Amino acid sequence: TQLLEQSPQFLSIQEGENLTVYCNSSSVFSSLQWYRQEPGEGPVLLVTVVTGGEVKKLKRLTFQFGDARKDSSLHITAAQPGDTGLYLCAGALWSSGTYKYIFGTGTRLKVLA
Amino acid sequence: NAGVTQTPKFQVLKTGQSMTLQCAQDMNHNSMYWYRQDPGMGLRLIYYSASEGTTDKGEVPNGYNVSRLNKREFSLRLESAAPSQTSVYFCASSAAEAVLRGADTQYFGPGTRLTVL
Repeated sequence: TQLLEQSPQFLSIQEGENLTVYCNSSSVFSSLQWYRQEPGEGPVLLVTVVTGGEVKKLKRLTFQFGDARKDSSLHITAAQPGDTGLYLCAGALWSSGTYKYIFGTGTRLKVLA
Repeated sequence: NAGVTQTPKFQVLKTGQSMTLQCAQDMNHNSMYWYRQDPGMGLRLIYYSASEGTTDKGEVPNGYNVSRLNKREFSLRLESAAPSQTSVYFCASSAAEAVLRGADTQYFGPGTRLTVL
């Protein structure tokens, strides 16, 4: 069973603070995705990283893929209340003619004004 | 262009009843997936399908069956519902060939909230 451990599970911070969410596994992934999910909705993709060591930036969000493609991090600079939500990482593994995705347990972020 | 649609949105079953969750996508994707999401947890893969006529077990397949009816539709069936199957069910689709371009995206439906009493 492949596992993708995500930490922390919960995070409550003040507006303007920085934070980092981690996603770790013993499996090597073809790619790793980060999603954000709002209550009552399905996850929405934020970014996909493919190459070991790759760094991608999306405004105040910085995503990094580990050199060995087993782990990833999401860093948010100067968090805002609009960043509140559930953040999920998902690793892609080739299986039975397609990619299957293993999801982390999620990080529930609350940013207080 | 509706993306991924799921029906029903809500369902309440009694233990032992059966039902089928429907999913359809209009993005011409080959790969489709069924997940369940329990409170405080991420998504767990139930079944997935690489193409029409093929299906494979994910992490938690027990108690479920699936049918990939055609390229657009992928249904999930609970033959004899149990309280442990109370969850939110998400269907997703993706273009698997886009993974190595860094362009893979799973598109999710709005979910079906199922309660088994």
